[in-house]
Amino acid sequence: SQKIEQNSEALNIQEGKTATLTCNYTNYSPAYLQWYRQDPGRGPVFLLLIRENEKEKRKERLKVTFDTTLKQSLFHITASQPADSATYLCALLYGNNRLAFGKGNQVVVIP
Amino acid sequence: EADIYQTPRYLVIGTGKKITLECSQTMGHDKMYWYQQDPGMELHLIHYSYGVNSTEKGDLSSESTVSRIRTEHFPLTLESARPSHTSQYLCASARGFSGANVLTFGAGSRLTVL
Repeated sequence: SQKIEQNSEALNIQEGKTATLTCNYTNYSPAYLQWYRQDPGRGPVFLLLIRENEKEKRKERLKVTFDTTLKQSLFHITASQPADSATYLCALLYGNNRLAFGKGNQVVVIP
Repeated sequence: EADIYQTPRYLVIGTGKKITLECSQTMGHDKMYWYQQDPGMELHLIHYSYGVNSTEKGDLSSESTVSRIRTEHFPLTLESARPSHTSQYLCASARGFSGANVLTFGAGSRLTVL
């Protein structure tokens, strides 16, 4: 069956350090992989997308890598700030233009 | 600023009531989606639409129904609410020819059925 796995344990990180999150997937062959941020009680907000033929994408303090051989994406927040505290969701495009989401990985940035 | 609006944000109702969750977007997007999310869990796709008069069921079976009579409007209806329908319902939209299908989400409707 198709699965998207993100670490269920919250990541506690000191302000200023780099947070790294992992997204692993099985039985998908996504042309695109996306990352979203979700705050409590709110809808997800799009952050970055990466195509299957791209190895790395950057946007300000965010960096995403995509390894289709390992079926894995890494999401990095550099110079983390307390305002970065949220849950980060990995999403894959599949089927007829549908997006499947992982459970998300909570990040807590400690001042 | 969000261009996709969901109402109500919070709803507490009794078992057996009919409810409609409203979703409207002002971006002219052809594609619209409803996801269901329980606390700490992933989003599950329950309905989607690729244009007016087009609706499809998603991957998670749901007793709800949807309609798409206007491009901007995609309401979700439960004819007879039950406690098992208690959840957060998230509406989203995307541009019709966007290959990457980046979604814009509403703030969600949290439904509690007593």
